[in-house]
Amino acid sequence: EVHLVESGGGLVQPGRSLRLSCAASGFTFDDYAMHWVRQAPGKGLEWVSGISRDSRTIAYSDSVKGRFTISRDNAKKSQYLQMDSLRVEDTAFYYCAGRRGGDNPFDYWGQGTLVTVSS
Amino acid sequence: ESVLTQSPGTLSLSPGERATLSCRASQSVTSRYLAWYQRKPGQALRLLIYGASSRATGIPDRFIGSGSGTDFTLTISRLEPEDFAVYYCQQYGSSPLTFGGGTKVEI
Repeated sequence: EVHLVESGGGLVQPGRSLRLSCAASGFTFDDYAMHWVRQAPGKGLEWVSGISRDSRTIAYSDSVKGRFTISRDNAKKSQYLQMDSLRVEDTAFYYCAGRRGGDNPFDYWGQGTLVTVSS
Repeated sequence: ESVLTQSPGTLSLSPGERATLSCRASQSVTSRYLAWYQRKPGQALRLLIYGASSRATGIPDRFIGSGSGTDFTLTISRLEPEDFAVYYCQQYGSSPLTFGGGTKVEI
């Protein structure tokens, strides 16, 4: 059975940092590009960032570019999201998602971890 | 950026009825790269439909995806009690990947 489990969320002050992790099991992690998608309270889903299977291709949404850094460790079957210079508008549930490549939908999703940015 | 607009926001129906959910894109979706997902409380999103009309593994045939260009539809032919959930469309043909705002199907 496939599992994607996010961790690392919590309450943080504006301007501070947080690092999210996503642990994968039940599928061949190396075969999947991994992404982060977020959903602010009462809002829709927003793609945040993605990383290719070999970490050579990385992309960010304009809203987080320059502040967030995505990475992965295939040996640990995990991906990460380093979030710096956090803003109140970054408050959201952050979901880990995996897809097989550029022309595929997200096959797998985690249940999310809540990040609250507030003073 | 391709903006996806889902309608209606909420659909109130009874088990056994047909549900018709709409997803309209602000620009043509490349190669019909349009997916539908289901979310139930406390659960991860589940892929239902990809390529606008192909069912994902294990998805019952009462879930039917259709459409092309800018207009797409998810039809649930006969609602089962477990189908009451929130449904999202997503385009994955162009960057950035974008999602619709969701349609809640409620009893």
